[in-house]
Amino acid sequence: DAMVIQNPRYQVTQFGKPVTLSCSQTLNHNVMYWYQQKSSQAPKLLFHYYDKDFNNEADTPDNFQSRRPNTSFCFLDIRSPGLGDAAMYLCATSRVGGGPYEQYFGPGTRLTVT
Amino acid sequence: GQQVMQIPQYQHVQEGEDFTTYCNSSTTLSNIQWYKQRPGGHPVFLIQLVKSGEVKKQKRLTFQFGEAKKNSSLHITATQTTDVGTYFCAATHNDYKLSFGAGTTVTVRA
Repeated sequence: DAMVIQNPRYQVTQFGKPVTLSCSQTLNHNVMYWYQQKSSQAPKLLFHYYDKDFNNEADTPDNFQSRRPNTSFCFLDIRSPGLGDAAMYLCATSRVGGGPYEQYFGPGTRLTVT
Repeated sequence: GQQVMQIPQYQHVQEGEDFTTYCNSSTTLSNIQWYKQRPGGHPVFLIQLVKSGEVKKQKRLTFQFGEAKKNSSLHITATQTTDVGTYFCAATHNDYKLSFGAGTTVTVRA
């Protein structure tokens, strides 16, 4: 089945130690998104890729970076995680053109910072 | 992006009863989407509303888009334990980005 896959599902990192979260999709969608979701809150968009074009949200800290080496994969890099970065990180995809279309979310990676 | 306000934040429902969650915007929305997130899960798309006054049904769920396209509602009849979760409305802009409402978290008393 076509889907959005996130690895790992759980990630523990130390304060200040760089961490990378990965997302892959078999849907061949143009757009890939990274959201941060904290407990009892709505998903907050960090940035998205429209094909190869990177689009950062204005309030996304510089500590967060992303890479999309090809259509299928997208990575979230947190350069120096702080305690406040502990959250669920959700990857999502959607197609574009003639839409809008729904977003397909991966299962998420729960990040713990110690 | 377009901001949407969602109420109530929490809804505690007796099994078998009905409830409604509301989504409001100060500006006209081009369309609105609804998602459900089960506890420990990820958001899953439920439906999209595009037309003024549109009403769509999925079994016990009824979705409405206001005539002015500034509000939307989700009504669930005869609530079941499987309805537990958080329901988000989301406004689209730039044809694909979403602005999520704060969500309504539903718990069910058996």
